[in-house]
Amino acid sequence: DSGVTQTPKHLITATGQRVTLRCSPRSGDLSVYWYQQSLDQGLQFLIQYYNGEERAKGNILERFSAQQFPDLHSELNLSSLELGDSALYFCASRGQGGEQFFGPGTRLTVL
Amino acid sequence: DQQVKQNSPSLSVQEGRISILNCDYTNSMFDYFLWYKKYPAEGPTFLISISSIKDKNEDGRFTVFLNKSAKHLSLHIVPSQPGDSAVYFCAASPEGGGSNYKLTFGKGTLLTVNP
Repeated sequence: DSGVTQTPKHLITATGQRVTLRCSPRSGDLSVYWYQQSLDQGLQFLIQYYNGEERAKGNILERFSAQQFPDLHSELNLSSLELGDSALYFCASRGQGGEQFFGPGTRLTVL
Repeated sequence: DQQVKQNSPSLSVQEGRISILNCDYTNSMFDYFLWYKKYPAEGPTFLISISSIKDKNEDGRFTVFLNKSAKHLSLHIVPSQPGDSAVYFCAASPEGGGSNYKLTFGKGTLLTVNP
């Protein structure tokens, strides 16, 4: 158990819909990172928050947005969903060292 | 443009033998490298890391080697055990990124250790 929690574990929805994925970092960690893993792809960095502020953006679509709240949990919002958005979405938090600790992921299926 | 490449999608070894997983990178700014292991339906788990000031880092059965001039790193697992069967991801980052630190991952290598 990494100490990073993600809900829900599975999500099935239809094209055009909007969903929210939730992540709580390890106790004491200020950074949250979101990654997407599609079929046959490695983990693609989406966005990073540090203590409530956006710090870095990767390959995140304009239909996607995120925020980090004062209690440090983060939400990733995916809207106008397309079939190609079906993927595993992971969040991670970073401790004092360089390594990131990953949550169990949310599997999103868009039908 | 893939900045971190794991050219072997899969690797199969016998229990007790050495597993060698390889990773190449192209971005000269990368100087901190990590290996993660991932089982199905779980998040990646950190295994071992190495900074560019070193060429080797060892942790139990796991050793990572870094060849900066070749922009190549490898993970050695000795001896390999069936429980090591998983997907292994190589990741890289420019160290000193402070709070803007982010990882660039390879696509992973599926290791199968046969009893």
